[in-house]
Amino acid sequence: QSALTQPRSVSGPPGQSVTISCAGTSSDVGAYNYVSWYQQHPGKAPKLMIFDVSKRPSGVPDRFSGSKSGNTASLSISGLQADDESDYYCCSHAGTYVLFGEGTKLTVL
Amino acid sequence: QLQLQESGPGLVKPSETLSLSCTVSGGSISGSSYYWAWIRQPPGKGLEWIGSIYYTGKAFYRPSLKSRVTISVDTSKNQFSLNLNSVTAADTAVYYCAREIGGTTEYWGQGTLVTVSS
Repeated sequence: QSALTQPRSVSGPPGQSVTISCAGTSSDVGAYNYVSWYQQHPGKAPKLMIFDVSKRPSGVPDRFSGSKSGNTASLSISGLQADDESDYYCCSHAGTYVLFGEGTKLTVL
Repeated sequence: QLQLQESGPGLVKPSETLSLSCTVSGGSISGSSYYWAWIRQPPGKGLEWIGSIYYTGKAFYRPSLKSRVTISVDTSKNQFSLNLNSVTAADTAVYYCAREIGGTTEYWGQGTLVTVSS
């Protein structure tokens, strides 16, 4: 059960938009609409940003959005802010277990 | 507000068993559709799901760890626990307990660092 594939890093200037991809297989991302995304600042526990592919928990800005096409899910962040600089992880249900992505470091230039 | 708190030794010797507990407060571990999970993160690396358990005791494990992991639940104490045997340095990580539903982890503990070293 390999980790879901994410780009190692992405970057963008304040105010711009970025998209982080999360590639899985037909047994995980492609099979279930249970993809979630987490933001993790250094030394902190992850924070849920998106669940069920595209739903936002209460309190998460609508600048964060999620989508899925086939075996690949995506997290888009618009209007980048300095505080968005963090590590981001995707996650997918895979039947009897759960898979996380390798993680992507977002740098706000 | 639901809170989870991990507890257990911060240092474990190689080949021994890593044992952690997670105490849940602000809500009951019983009922509903939630699973109670353990997730770990080696220093400088990504998140790795270890397994999860329903309050009835039904558990699911990461296939690659299944032979070494046991997750149990004690509803009377509102706690669940992780046992990982035959540990090596590769098991050194921050271990998080969490509440999960449909693969989504909404609530996380603060995490506890466990180092495997002699």
